[in-house]
Amino acid sequence: DAGVIQSPRHEVTEMGQEVTLRCKPISGHDYLFWYRQTMMRGLELLIYFNNNVPIDDSGMPEDRFSAKMPNASFSTLKIQPSEPRDSAVYFCASSKRSGGISYNEQFFGPGTRLTVL
Amino acid sequence: AQSVTQLDSQVPVFEEAPVELRCNYSSSVSVYLFWYVQYPNQGLQLLLKYLSGSTLVKGINGFEAEFNKSQTSFHLRKPSVHISDTAEYFCAVSPVTGTASKLTFGTGTRLQVTL
Repeated sequence: DAGVIQSPRHEVTEMGQEVTLRCKPISGHDYLFWYRQTMMRGLELLIYFNNNVPIDDSGMPEDRFSAKMPNASFSTLKIQPSEPRDSAVYFCASSKRSGGISYNEQFFGPGTRLTVL
Repeated sequence: AQSVTQLDSQVPVFEEAPVELRCNYSSSVSVYLFWYVQYPNQGLQLLLKYLSGSTLVKGINGFEAEFNKSQTSFHLRKPSVHISDTAEYFCAVSPVTGTASKLTFGTGTRLQVTL
């Protein structure tokens, strides 16, 4: 399996521009997570989906952030308009619920490093 | 809600020396505990996990961790480190009930192994 795929790996944009980050989860996984990593705040869960439905978006910082999962193999995280404080590494992760196991290992993608000038 | 504290932001150690990375957590409910490792410019990968049973758990690359419920700790240890262990290590917790897949991470500990 190719693992979780994220694109682009690096994104540099100017303040005010729209940014779209993309994620392809591992085939067969039914949970998808978006995280943000910064030096100041560490790793933060932004939002997660189960079977393409957003379950918890309490970590989304503000209305400028939105996430979608139109099908089981694709998700986007959009920032509009972007600001310099959005500069961070954004990770996507996926997991698969199986049987009665109540914890499912999350598999992380390589991340997208976003720089907003 | 849960929180995770990793007191050491950086741990320098010589190759073949033992190492311990500390992790303490706070939670009003029972939790599962994890250690993840992040190599430079890569995503996180699971090192080991405690779900139930024996409090001493063994993971990949010779790492182990011990769950201490009374001290709410889950310290990571390795008896002899290698240069290739240089990475960022994250402790994380997940509630046993409810949204069991939702992880709360610590701020990370950078392990720097030198010759």
